[in-house]
Amino acid sequence: KAGVTQTPRYLIKTRGQQVTLSCSPISGHRSVSWYQQTPGQGLQFLFEYFSETQRNKGNFPGRFSGRQFSNSRSEMNVSTLELGDSALYLCASSYLTRGDYGYTFGSGTRLTVV
Amino acid sequence: KNQVEQSPQSLIILEGKNCTLQCNYTVSPFSNLRWYKQDTGRGPVSLTIMTFSENTKSNGRYTATLDADTKQSSLHITASQLSDSASYICVVSFTQPDSSYKLIFGSGTRLLVRP
Repeated sequence: KAGVTQTPRYLIKTRGQQVTLSCSPISGHRSVSWYQQTPGQGLQFLFEYFSETQRNKGNFPGRFSGRQFSNSRSEMNVSTLELGDSALYLCASSYLTRGDYGYTFGSGTRLTVV
Repeated sequence: KNQVEQSPQSLIILEGKNCTLQCNYTVSPFSNLRWYKQDTGRGPVSLTIMTFSENTKSNGRYTATLDADTKQSSLHITASQLSDSASYICVVSFTQPDSSYKLIFGSGTRLLVRP
């Protein structure tokens, strides 16, 4: 059974650019959540999608957005990148909303903004 | 305010020794508590999950305990190995008014096992 797949694994972008990250959940999982992880802040919740609908949203600016497709794959977009957006972006999938059980993380996308 | 606090922030031990990591939470209403292991640059991997009624859960050399009364959990690692070097994150789940679940993450304990 394939795990949660995130692409790309590494990304370097310049300030002001935008970026799109992809997450393919475990087959059958309909919930996808996104997290930002930095050394100083730890894991911070970005948003969660379930059946193509955003169910929950964290306290991030509108530059951070996401969507989920009918096959449950999800994308996260960050516009007008800032140096502080450099982080490991993780997605996690679950069969249930907000994954109380069977919550599985991907390996993440390491974004560096220069 | 719902919070999860972990201690120590970092820990260095010698290979073969035991260690215990702490997690205190003020999350309510409590649903479950998980311990994750995260290798550098990788996603977290679940070690154990405990509900309110469980007070011990083991996964190989990892044993987690939960005291729901004092809202404390610990992760005990026995006979540590070099591969145990990682960050260990405590995550508490609680039920929101709309019946959905929310996860509160601790900041993690960074463990280094030296030969």
